[in-house]
Amino acid sequence: GDSVTQMEGPVTLSEEAFLTINCTYTATGYPSLFWYVQYPGEGLQLLLKATKADDKGSNKGFEATYRKETTSFHLEKGSVQVSDSAVYFCALSPGNNDMRFGAGTRLTVKP
Amino acid sequence: DSGVTQTPKHLITATGQRVTLRCSPRSGDLSVYWYQQSLDQGLQFLIQYYNGEERAKGNILERFSAQQFPDLHSELNLSSLELGDSALYFCASSALGETQYFGPGTRLLVL
Repeated sequence: GDSVTQMEGPVTLSEEAFLTINCTYTATGYPSLFWYVQYPGEGLQLLLKATKADDKGSNKGFEATYRKETTSFHLEKGSVQVSDSAVYFCALSPGNNDMRFGAGTRLTVKP
Repeated sequence: DSGVTQTPKHLITATGQRVTLRCSPRSGDLSVYWYQQSLDQGLQFLIQYYNGEERAKGNILERFSAQQFPDLHSELNLSSLELGDSALYFCASSALGETQYFGPGTRLLVL
């Protein structure tokens, strides 16, 4: 069935470092792709999304491009801050309000 | 603030007991989803309701049940609780689109 696989964490970076969290997907159709973020003690928040191939989602300095040829939706940020420390979930929706989440990647940013 | 509310925020109970978790979706959202998040199993989809009807079922145990009421709020009932049921339980809601908006969660501790 449709699924996502994201890089295992934890990831630890220094402030202002470049971030990449890899996410690849398997799908029979043309799913929408999402990144959610979970800050400590909170629920998941939508960070960005892309609904078709070559779309780029962006928010708060984070970006991800829907790459159909490599079935990927990698999350990037040019310069991370301590406040970006959180767990990041890649997800796909094949339609019908169904959503499949990756295992999550914990990011810690040190000052 | 996603607009999804969940009560209670924390719940401590004993094995064998029954609890009810409550969720109010964002205004206008007809779909409600329940997820369980534990340390060893990540984010697991339990069940989805759409306008009062069960729409999809995930890894929900037979000891668990849910319903969505005419005012669209939803309740998740967990019975014959076991230690392994200790987890964060999230509710999410969505409208016609695919994006799910998550509540802050209920942290359940079974002693």
